[in-house]
Amino acid sequence: DQQVKQNSPSLSVQEGRISILNCDYTNSMFDYFLWYKKYPAEGPTFLISISSIKDKNEDGRFTVFLNKSAKHLSLHIVPSQPGDSAVYFCAASLNTGNQFYFGTGTSLTVIP
Amino acid sequence: KAGVTQTPRYLIKTRGQQVTLSCSPISGHRSVSWYQQTPGQGLQFLFEYFSETQRNKGNFPGRFSGRQFSNSRSEMNVSTLELGDSALYLCASSLGLEGYGYTFGSGTRLTVV
Repeated sequence: DQQVKQNSPSLSVQEGRISILNCDYTNSMFDYFLWYKKYPAEGPTFLISISSIKDKNEDGRFTVFLNKSAKHLSLHIVPSQPGDSAVYFCAASLNTGNQFYFGTGTSLTVIP
Repeated sequence: KAGVTQTPRYLIKTRGQQVTLSCSPISGHRSVSWYQQTPGQGLQFLFEYFSETQRNKGNFPGRFSGRQFSNSRSEMNVSTLELGDSALYLCASSLGLEGYGYTFGSGTRLTVV
């Protein structure tokens, strides 16, 4: 049972435009969310996180939005750059430990 | 500082064999978690060790086991390998405190033939 879902396996965006990656979850008890980026042949690298007490967190070109009532979070990348091309995973956790539930990933391609 | 190191990077095993994967966390990190990544399934949580004790466990059969040593290095063992065990196995370390994200290693690509 996939508790964290990324329904778009892939996304293509023009360089300079906004990339929006979406993530839905089913467990309303999740209270901490992260986004990871993964390049081929490398492990995922941490990108940005958000706690359930917030609805937005920004870090440079990356902004994560959390809509708890809809059990939905999204990652916005503005402006998108070719180096952003990677697979993006969202993850969620219960505040009882360090077990994270990951989505299946969205492959982002930024076209120069 | 050095990142999370996983060895070996690639491994080919035959059905029925067993395999041991190794993970050295970032210095000072006491939590080590293991994930299995397969196409279409994302990252599936296997287990987490903190200070040599298994703290969390995912929904994998008992063929999957792990341990953590006093220096925080961790090993994962899979016995009686099945074709479906072919995957990228990722290890991640963290300080082990709630709310801290992981730092992942590059993974071990296991192929079972």
